[in-house]
Amino acid sequence: KAGVTQTPRYLIKTRGQQVTLSCSPISGHRSVSWYQQTPGQGLQFLFEYFSETQRNKGNFPGRFSGRQFSNSRSEMNVSTLELGDSALYLCASSLQGPMNTEAFFGQGTRLTVV
Amino acid sequence: GDSVTQMEGPVTLSEEAFLTINCTYTATGYPSLFWYVQYPGEGLQLLLKATKADDKGSNKGFEATYRKETTSFHLEKGSVQVSDSAVYFCALSDQTGGFKTIFGAGTRLFVKA
Repeated sequence: KAGVTQTPRYLIKTRGQQVTLSCSPISGHRSVSWYQQTPGQGLQFLFEYFSETQRNKGNFPGRFSGRQFSNSRSEMNVSTLELGDSALYLCASSLQGPMNTEAFFGQGTRLTVV
Repeated sequence: GDSVTQMEGPVTLSEEAFLTINCTYTATGYPSLFWYVQYPGEGLQLLLKATKADDKGSNKGFEATYRKETTSFHLEKGSVQVSDSAVYFCALSDQTGGFKTIFGAGTRLFVKA
């Protein structure tokens, strides 16, 4: 079965712009989590959605937002981009949620802000 | 809050050497513990997991035992291969911490032929 698909794979944006990243989870998975990966900060949790509801949110500014659709696909949006937002953004899906179940990761979207 | 601390890398070993990557955690509840691996240019893959104290997770020759008394989940492999070169992440998820997984900083492993 198809894995977690993230689009686009690479993105270059200018400071001040906004960006939308997409994640299609594995069929049947209802939980989608988003992470930011940078060399300096490692993997930082952004938020988690389950059945279109945000269940948890990490410590990121309000410029970072997300949503989940009825088919479990998820998008995250970053507005007013800053240079420090350059990172690999990873999406993970699981059946029920990260508790006691395996999270399947996509290959990520590499965002570069110039 | 919950946190995971793992040994800093990089770790460089020769093929067939013994591997240990240390991981300790802090959690308010009774977390599940995981090791994930990230190969170059790819996302993370679950390597092994343990859901309660004294459980041993194992996969592809890697093992880790959930030690509640020492709050540790050290990753071990008896004989590493060049193909094991990757970044390894220790992680926990704790119901009392909400529906999220907390990751350690990652440890890069280089295995030389």
